[in-house]
Amino acid sequence: GQSLEQPSEVTAVEGAIVQINCTYQTSGFYGLSWYQQHDGGAPTFLSYNALDGLEETGRFSSFLSRSDSYGYLLLQELQMKDSASYFCAVAGGPDSNYQLIWGAGTKLIIKP
Amino acid sequence: EAEVAQSPRYKITEKSQAVAFWCDPISGHATLYWYRQILGQGPELLVQFQDESVVDDSQLPKDRFSAERLKGVDSTLKIQPAELGDSAMYLCASSFMGSETQYFGPGTRLLVL
Repeated sequence: GQSLEQPSEVTAVEGAIVQINCTYQTSGFYGLSWYQQHDGGAPTFLSYNALDGLEETGRFSSFLSRSDSYGYLLLQELQMKDSASYFCAVAGGPDSNYQLIWGAGTKLIIKP
Repeated sequence: EAEVAQSPRYKITEKSQAVAFWCDPISGHATLYWYRQILGQGPELLVQFQDESVVDDSQLPKDRFSAERLKGVDSTLKIQPAELGDSAMYLCASSFMGSETQYFGPGTRLLVL
């Protein structure tokens, strides 16, 4: 089967740093994506890692280790507007019609 | 900035009735996806189109759900008859062919009574 594991909920304080982990077991792997979804809203693309290492985009960074089937999203200088659910998703590449396999999401709660 | 359009945003219907959702992808995006998302879960793929052709509808409950993208642009997802368990958010996403990045519309929140 195919599965992605991420914590269901993470709590952090405004201004702090938080890391959301994702481990995966899939039959195919092209890369790991992260999406943000606010309550009642639609998922929005944050980042994509195809190669091992850290990718930085402003306050957000994403890391991938293909050998460990593991990745994480790092959010720095947390702001209240970062309160949302964060989904990791495995991209299966051309063999799977470029479909995404989604995790169940991590609800990030930020306290003032 | 180009966006994926969906309508309606909210729909309340009674079980056994028919409902339809519409999606207009970002111009130039050949690939279109319909997802269903239940609260607290990740999106579940229902159907994927490449232009006007169905690429994958293996998770679409075909006894009651149908989807079409006749001219390879906008798309309609229909449920007939609706059941209580169909209450969920229905999301449409689009992407360039061969891209791993998907862009989502605002979704249609369906409540079946």
